[in-house]
Amino acid sequence: DTAVSQTPKYLVTQMGNDKSIKCEQNLGHDTMYWYKQDSKKFLKIMFSYNNKELIINETVPNRFSPKSPDKAHLNLHINSLELGDSAVYFCASSRGGSQETQYFGPGTRLLVL
Amino acid sequence: GDSVTQMEGPVTLSEEAFLTINCTYTATGYPSLFWYVQYPGEGLQLLLKATKADDKGSNKGFEATYRKETTSFHLEKGSVQVSDSAVYFCALIGRGGSNYKLTFGKGTLLTVNP
Repeated sequence: DTAVSQTPKYLVTQMGNDKSIKCEQNLGHDTMYWYKQDSKKFLKIMFSYNNKELIINETVPNRFSPKSPDKAHLNLHINSLELGDSAVYFCASSRGGSQETQYFGPGTRLLVL
Repeated sequence: GDSVTQMEGPVTLSEEAFLTINCTYTATGYPSLFWYVQYPGEGLQLLLKATKADDKGSNKGFEATYRKETTSFHLEKGSVQVSDSAVYFCALIGRGGSNYKLTFGKGTLLTVNP
């Protein structure tokens, strides 16, 4: 069984469109995250939820909106896609806590044309 | 704020060579330290971690020791294999509060040739 899964794996879309990426974890974790990896492989936190409550919201455009319907799911909706949004988006989960390992999904490769 | 500086790559080695990837950090207090590995086209996997000073994390022949005095967490392996070719990320989680975000270094691409 996949611990952290994301759909879709690849997403190719036009500028201006709205798209969503879904993430699910079956590890029973309380905390979930979204990270963005740019073309140079640099990884940066975007959002974090703990028990469906937003606890981290880094400097991310308002066009990005996370939604957590329950503890096992954290979705990312992106409005009015721009060329610069092209990246790999990773979902992760953990038990929360500074010593806990974060488990990553396989990533969603978004290409905006 | 917290930051991680790691050796810029790419690093190219022959099979069975010794590997060191340097990593230093800046953080308030004593963070937890991690090495993650990303194989081509895949997500990140935890390679090893250490949560307090002088701890040594180890896995699959890789080791790293949490050095508080030099704020370092260098990754080493005595004999690399072709299958170790990947991007390696040093990362930390700071202490305090409920902010458990990973702060990553820029990654080091390792290529091991047969």
